[in-house]
Amino acid sequence: KQEVTQIPAALSVPEGENLVLNCSFTDSAIYNLQWFRQDPGKGLTSLLLIQSSQREQTSGRLNASLDKSSGRSTLYIAASQPGDSATYLCAVEDSNYQLIWGAGTKLIIKP
Amino acid sequence: EAGVAQSPRYKIIEKRQSVAFWCNPISGHATLYWYQQILGQGPKLLIQFQNNGVVDDSQLPKDRFSAERLKGVDSTLKIQPAKLEDSAVYLCASTRSGGVPYFGPGTRLTVL
Repeated sequence: KQEVTQIPAALSVPEGENLVLNCSFTDSAIYNLQWFRQDPGKGLTSLLLIQSSQREQTSGRLNASLDKSSGRSTLYIAASQPGDSATYLCAVEDSNYQLIWGAGTKLIIKP
Repeated sequence: EAGVAQSPRYKIIEKRQSVAFWCNPISGHATLYWYQQILGQGPKLLIQFQNNGVVDDSQLPKDRFSAERLKGVDSTLKIQPAKLEDSAVYLCASTRSGGVPYFGPGTRLTVL
């Protein structure tokens, strides 16, 4: 059974720092891996999708990597800003096209 | 294009009462999902529709939860009777047919 883990559960850093969020999964037979952002009182917004054949995806200050063999993905945020404060969730799409979710990392960027 | 709409945004009920949530997906999106997200956890899929047919409802507690998607457009999720452990945010999402899901703002349910 696929399990997705995100560490740490919470992270607080000063504005301007580069940071890395981690996601690990137990079964490497995935279709893709997705990173989402969740703001309080709002739904989830897709940030990046990495197909199983890809190693990384970039969007602005965000870069996500995927290492299927080790069951790991990282989300790198460059030059963090207070507006980046949110909960970041990763999800893997399995062979049944179902999304299996991590519990998220709550990120606080201090001005 | 308009996003996924959900209502109500908040609901407080007593245990054993009934409650219904409504979702209107993005126009043209054939796939609709209902998720339950308990505080501090990731979303858990309750049911997936493809047009008006059920694709997966394996994690839907069918003794108390029901969902329908008549005409393959909007959908309702009902809980009857509610339990304390049903307190959560209920998220609706849609996609054209797989791919990146677009989420609504969610309905926060509190069962007292």
